[in-house]
Amino acid sequence: DQQVKQNSPSLSVQEGRISILNCDYTNSMFDYFLWYKKYPAEGPTFLISISSIKDKNEDGRFTVFLNKSAKHLSLHIVPSQPGDSAVYFCAASVGNNNDMRFGAGTRLTVKP
Amino acid sequence: KAGVTQTPRYLIKTRGQQVTLSCSPISGHRSVSWYQQTPGQGLQFLFEYFSETQRNKGNFPGRFSGRQFSNSRSEMNVSTLELGDSALYLCASHWGARNEQFFGPGTRLTVL
Repeated sequence: DQQVKQNSPSLSVQEGRISILNCDYTNSMFDYFLWYKKYPAEGPTFLISISSIKDKNEDGRFTVFLNKSAKHLSLHIVPSQPGDSAVYFCAASVGNNNDMRFGAGTRLTVKP
Repeated sequence: KAGVTQTPRYLIKTRGQQVTLSCSPISGHRSVSWYQQTPGQGLQFLFEYFSETQRNKGNFPGRFSGRQFSNSRSEMNVSTLELGDSALYLCASHWGARNEQFFGPGTRLTVL
């Protein structure tokens, strides 16, 4: 039962442009969402998170938007850089439960 | 601070065998979570340990088990290996709920 879905397995963007990665979820109980970035041969690293009481959280070039009614969140990277090329996972959890549900990931390629 | 370490990094086993994977969390972190990553499936939550007790469990068969020691180090065991168990096994440590999880580099298990 895939409660968190990333429907785009890959995305290619030109350097300097905006990258938009999307994530949908089905469990309305999820109230905490995170994005992780993963390079080959490394574990995922935390990027940014958002609580369900907010609809936007910004950290430098990274902004996460949450649309609770649509059960949809997105990660915007502006401007995109070649070093951003990686697999991005969105994750969600309920309350203080550390049982995080991850999406299948989107491979982002930023071309110079 | 040293990061999360996992041993071994690579492992090759045959069907029917059992395997034990080890994870040492970041110093001070009391929670360790385990995930299985397979192509197209993202990260699937296996279980979480906190203070030597299993706190959460994902939807995996009983062949998958784990434990945590008093120093917070954790082990994961898979018995009667199947071909489908071939995956990257990641552990993550965190010091509390609602905090980012810090991942290790993973153990790549191949079952022949």
